[in-house]
Parts: sequence; structure tokens; C-alpha cells
Amino acid sequence: DGGITQSPKYLFRKEGQNVTLSCEQNLNHDAMYWYRQDPGQGLRLIYYSQIVNDFQKGDIAEGYSVSREKKESFPLTVTSAQKNPTAFYLCASTPTGGARTEAFFGQGTRLTVV
Amino acid sequence: GDSVTQMEGPVTLSEEAFLTINCTYTATGYPSLFWYVQYPGEGLQLLLKATKADDKGSNKGFEATYRKETTSFHLEKGSVQVSDSAVYFCALKTGANNLFFGTGTRLTVIP
Repeated sequence: DGGITQSPKYLFRKEGQNVTLSCEQNLNHDAMYWYRQDPGQGLRLIYYSQIVNDFQKGDIAEGYSVSREKKESFPLTVTSAQKNPTAFYLCASTPTGGARTEAFFGQGTRLTVV
Repeated sequence: GDSVTQMEGPVTLSEEAFLTINCTYTATGYPSLFWYVQYPGEGLQLLLKATKADDKGSNKGFEATYRKETTSFHLEKGSVQVSDSAVYFCALKTGANNLFFGTGTRLTVIP
């Protein structure tokens, strides 16, 4: 079945550590996104990528980094510079097709600082 | 800029009650409009969508009509069930990568 797979489902980070969240899609979508969701809040865009080897900062990119070496993969690294990383992270993708095409989401990764 | 304003929750209803969650938008151009649903601990799932004015999106008893004159896309369901308890997000898309979400409305349906 086609879809987006995020791993791990739960992740614990110690202070000062970098951690990487995985996002893989087999939908052949060009665009991929990372969002952060805090309790009781909406989605905030961290980074997005429209094509391999290219990505753009979203509204809250500070303390995060991404890469897009393959079309199907868009990993997110939460660096030690991100001072409040505890949140629910969602990866999404969209096909080409302009405004009419919806986004597809993974099941999310819950990151907790311990 | 483009944005979505969504009714704040939480909303608590009894089973079989009528549901309305308000959503209004601001956009240049001709956006598509979406409702997504998020169950606890999960990602977002597309509930319904409308891509042009006067379109009605529908799915699982939920409906929303794209009203250009009032810039609205309110979500309705005639009779909610306990299983509808979730967080609902209104969203708009104005181009290939311009996707904007509302803040979400938490719905709790009690038996």
C-alpha cells in the first residue's frame, strides 16, 4: 500500500543531543513537508522540499535541518540548538497538481526531551 | 497573506447532535479548501475537499460547501457519533506548495 512512513513513533532525546526523524514515502510525490504540532495547537511548518536536492525554510526552521537526497526520503534532524524540541512531528507529501491536490500525512513522531 | 481562521474549541456534543465547525479564509487567487481529521496520537487524514466555489465536499456524513461570497468552508454533520471525537483542521491551498492550516478544533462526543 502506498503511504508515508515515519519512524520512530516515539523518540527520547537527552539535552545537547541531535536526533533524526525519518520520513519515507512511496507515493512518488515531488513535494514533502515537516510540521511541528504542540499540544492544543495547530501545525507549524518547519521545512519543505519541492524537488530532490532542494528545500526551503518554513516558519520555524531554527534549530532544525533537513536533507532531500532521494525523492522518497526527507529526514529531519532536531539539533541541540532547538531549545524546546518536545512536540509531535508530522511529515507530509503532495503530488504535483497545484492547488487541487491534497497533502498526505504520516502517523507522526512524538519527541520528548529527557 | 493567505490564512485560515477556525472556530476555537473544544466542542462537546451529545451523541446524535448536529455539528457545525466554522472556518473562514483569506486568500489571493483561487484556493482549494480541505478538512482534515486527527485521531489521538495519529497523523492527519483528509476528510473532504472542495476545489472551486460552490463545490460541496462530503464524506462519512460530513459536508462542507465552498462559499466564495462569504469566504467560508464550514464543516457540518447531522448526527455525530462517539467515534467522531477527534481534532478537525480546516486548510487551504493556493498553489503547488502553499498549504495553510487552521489551529484545529477538538470535538468530544459523549454517549
